Amino acid sequence: QQQVKQSPQSLIVQKGGISIINCAYENTAFDYFPWYQQFPGKGPALLIAIRPDVSEKKEGRFTISFNKSAKQFSLHIMDSQPGDSATYFCAARRRGSTLGRLYFGRGTQLTVWP
Amino acid sequence: DSGVTQTPKHLITATGQRVTLRCSPRSGDLSVYWYQQSLDQGLQFLIQYYNGEERAKGNILERFSAQQFPDLHSELNLSSLELGDSALYFCASSRREGSQETQYFGPGTRLLVL
Repeated sequence: QQQVKQSPQSLIVQKGGISIINCAYENTAFDYFPWYQQFPGKGPALLIAIRPDVSEKKEGRFTISFNKSAKQFSLHIMDSQPGDSATYFCAARRRGSTLGRLYFGRGTQLTVWP
Repeated sequence: DSGVTQTPKHLITATGQRVTLRCSPRSGDLSVYWYQQSLDQGLQFLIQYYNGEERAKGNILERFSAQQFPDLHSELNLSSLELGDSALYFCASSRREGSQETQYFGPGTRLLVL
């Protein structure tokens, strides 16, 4: 059973556009939500993360929006660039489990056309 | 470079064989995680070790085993290999830094079972 559901599976965006990837979860015990970026042939790398006590976190062109009541969170990439083309994974970790495992979404393959 | 190293990068073997994948965590990281990435299952958590002790188990098959050694490096042993075991295997490491904890992923080992 997939504890974190991610959509879309793939996304094509024109350079300069906004890329939006959505994730949803059911387990209210989750309290840490990171996004990872993975380039071909590389391991996933942390991009940005959020805790449910805030509704939004922004780092440069990357923003996480968090809706605790809906149990949804999303990644927004503003001014998308060809260099952003990668696979993006959302994830979640249970409350009280620092140094605990992550539950990953299935991933979104983003292609940004020049 | 995440600081996590994995060897070998690629492994080709036959069904029924046994292989060992090795992971060296970032210096000072006590926690090591193993994940399997396949096209149809995404990133699946296998097992976690903390300072030499098994801490959590995920969807790890009985044919698979792991250990973490006193120098904190970890090995994932896969035996009686089947075609379906072909996948990317990632190791990640982490440590607690105040209230934060980030999992850093290695470059992965690509296993092909023929």
